[in-house]
Amino acid sequence: DGGITQSPKYLFRKEGQNVTLSCEQNLNHDAMYWYRQDPGQGLRLIYYSQIVNDFQKGDIAEGYSVSREKKESFPLTVTSAQKNPTAFYLCASSKSRTGELFFGEGSRLTVL
Amino acid sequence: AQSVTQPDIHITVSEGASLELRCNYSYGATPYLFWYVQSPGQGLQLLLKYFSGDTLVQGIKGFEAEFKRSQSSFNLRKPSVHWSDAAEYFCAVVPGYSSASKIIFGSGTRLSIRP
Repeated sequence: DGGITQSPKYLFRKEGQNVTLSCEQNLNHDAMYWYRQDPGQGLRLIYYSQIVNDFQKGDIAEGYSVSREKKESFPLTVTSAQKNPTAFYLCASSKSRTGELFFGEGSRLTVL
Repeated sequence: AQSVTQPDIHITVSEGASLELRCNYSYGATPYLFWYVQSPGQGLQLLLKYFSGDTLVQGIKGFEAEFKRSQSSFNLRKPSVHWSDAAEYFCAVVPGYSSASKIIFGSGTRLSIRP
C-alpha cells in the first residue's frame, strides 16, 4: 500500500547536536511538507517542497534545514540553532493544490 | 489575518450520543475546508473535505460536516459516537485557489468518550 514513512518514531538528542528525520513517500506526490506539533497547538509549517530540488520556508523555518534530491524523499534536519526542538514532527504530501494532505505517523524528538 | 477557530478544547460525550464539533474561519471568500482526525501518537487522517457544491458533505467513519457561509462555519457531526472515535480533531482551511502550503489548522478539539 502507498503511504508515507517517517523514521525514527522516537529520537533523543543531546543539546548542541544536529539530528535528521527521515520522510519517504511512495504516493508519487509532487509536494511534501514538514510540520511541527506542540501540545495544545495546531500544526505549524516548517518547510515545504513542491518539486524536486526546490523548497520554501514555512512559518517557523529558523533552526531547521531540508533537502529534496528525490521526489520520494524529504528529510528534515533539526540543527543546534533550534532553541526549543522538543516536539512531534509530521511529514505530509499532497498530489493537488487543494490542501488534501496525507500524513506520516510522526517522529517525536526529545532533547535531553 | 486568516484564522481558524475551534472554540472547544476538550469535549466529553457518552458512547452512542450525538456529537458536534465547532469550527469557524476568518476569510473573505469561500475557502477549501477540511476535517482531520489524529489518534494519540499518530499522524493525521482526512475525515472529509469541502471544495464547492452541496454544503453538507459526508466523510469516512460516519462523519459529516455542513458548510454555512453566513456563519463562516464548518461544523463536524456524528449521530452516534463509538469509543473508537476518541481522538483529536482538527479543522483546516485553505484559501480558495491557493496551494496546500497555505493550509491553516485550528488548534484542535480533543474528544473523550464516556462509557
